[in-house]
Amino acid sequence: EVQLVESGGGLVKPGGSLRLSCAASGFTFSSYSMNWVRQAPGKGLEWVSSISSSSTYIYYADSLKGRFTISRDNAKNSLYLQVNSLRADDTAVYYCTRDHSALYYFDYWGQGTLVTVSS
Amino acid sequence: QSALTQPASVSGSPGQSITISCTGTSSDVGGYNYVSWYQQHPGKAPKLMIYDVSDRPSGVSNRFSGSKSGNTASLTISGLQAEDEADYYCSSYTSSNTGVFGTGTKVTVL
Repeated sequence: EVQLVESGGGLVKPGGSLRLSCAASGFTFSSYSMNWVRQAPGKGLEWVSSISSSSTYIYYADSLKGRFTISRDNAKNSLYLQVNSLRADDTAVYYCTRDHSALYYFDYWGQGTLVTVSS
Repeated sequence: QSALTQPASVSGSPGQSITISCTGTSSDVGGYNYVSWYQQHPGKAPKLMIYDVSDRPSGVSNRFSGSKSGNTASLTISGLQAEDEADYYCSSYTSSNTGVFGTGTKVTVL
């Protein structure tokens, strides 16, 4: 059974940093592109970032470039998102997703981890 | 990377069919057959319902179908059921090798 389990969210002050993690199991992690998608409270889905299976290709939403860094460790079956210079509008549930075919089809989602940015 | 445009809400009675539109540009929806649709119930993670414009993942009811014309993709739900009440989002591959979601549509079963 495919499982994606996020962790690392929490309450952080504006300007602070967090490192989100996603532990994957039930599939060959090193064969799939992975993504982060976020959803602010009561709002829609927003694509954040993607990383190819071997980390060769990395992409970010334009509005987040420079503050967010995606990475992965295929030996540990883990995906990461380093988020810096956090702002109130970064408050959201952050989902780890598996990309079915590297074409932005997210066939498996984690349960999400909540990041709250507040003083 | 502007969000794709969806109607805020669509409603229908049980048994009816409804269609949700998703309008983008030639740089995303119109340029590629890489449109997907997601269903999200309150407090839950989204679920993939359609990919490649019109393909259904295993286990998704054939009451859900997708299509595309020009820069607009559509999701049709036929034989509407109470369990279909949820938020629906479209998504597309873009010419920048990124992803983009739609604004989301709340489906209400009357």
